[in-house]
Amino acid sequence: DQQVKQNSPSLSVQEGRISILNCDYTNSMFDYFLWYKKYPAEGPTFLISISSIKDKNEDGRFTVFLNKSAKHLSLHIVPSQPGDSAVYFCAAMLSGGSNYKLTFGKGTLLTVNP
Amino acid sequence: DAGVTQSPTHLIKTRGQQVTLRCSPKSGHDTVSWYQQALGQGPQFIFQYYEEEERQRGNFPDRFSGHQFPNYSSELNVNALLLGDSALYLCASSSGETQYFGPGTRLLVL
Repeated sequence: DQQVKQNSPSLSVQEGRISILNCDYTNSMFDYFLWYKKYPAEGPTFLISISSIKDKNEDGRFTVFLNKSAKHLSLHIVPSQPGDSAVYFCAAMLSGGSNYKLTFGKGTLLTVNP
Repeated sequence: DAGVTQSPTHLIKTRGQQVTLRCSPKSGHDTVSWYQQALGQGPQFIFQYYEEEERQRGNFPDRFSGHQFPNYSSELNVNALLLGDSALYLCASSSGETQYFGPGTRLLVL
């Protein structure tokens, strides 16, 4: 039972253009969402997060959008740079109480071409 | 400010052996979580430690056990290793919702 799904295994964009990575979830109890970037042979690096009380959070070139009714979130990177090429993971959690387990999607490999 | 550190970086074991992986959390963090990442998959939650107690556990057998020390560092122990335990083991530390990951330990079981 995959509660967090990233349906695009890979995405290729041109440098300077927008990258849009998508994520869907099935558990309506999830209330906190995070995006991580992972280079080969490294651990995941935290990028940006969003609470379910918001529908948008922005940090520099990165913006995360949350559509609770559709159980969908997306990460926008603009402008995309070659150094953004990595695997991007979407993760979700129930932040209430003592439950801080992260549930991850399988990841999307982003390639930004110069 | 040192981030999350893990040791060793790589490890090769044979089936049936036991392994111990170590993690030092980011300064100021009191919670440590462990994840297993198989090839082509997202990280899977193993368990989380807070105040030296296992607070939450994922769907992993009892062969996987852990410990947290008073200085918040943590160990992951795996007994009776199986070929399927070959994976990247990630440690994450936190003091709130956001978890910060270490570089991982790559375990190969032959």
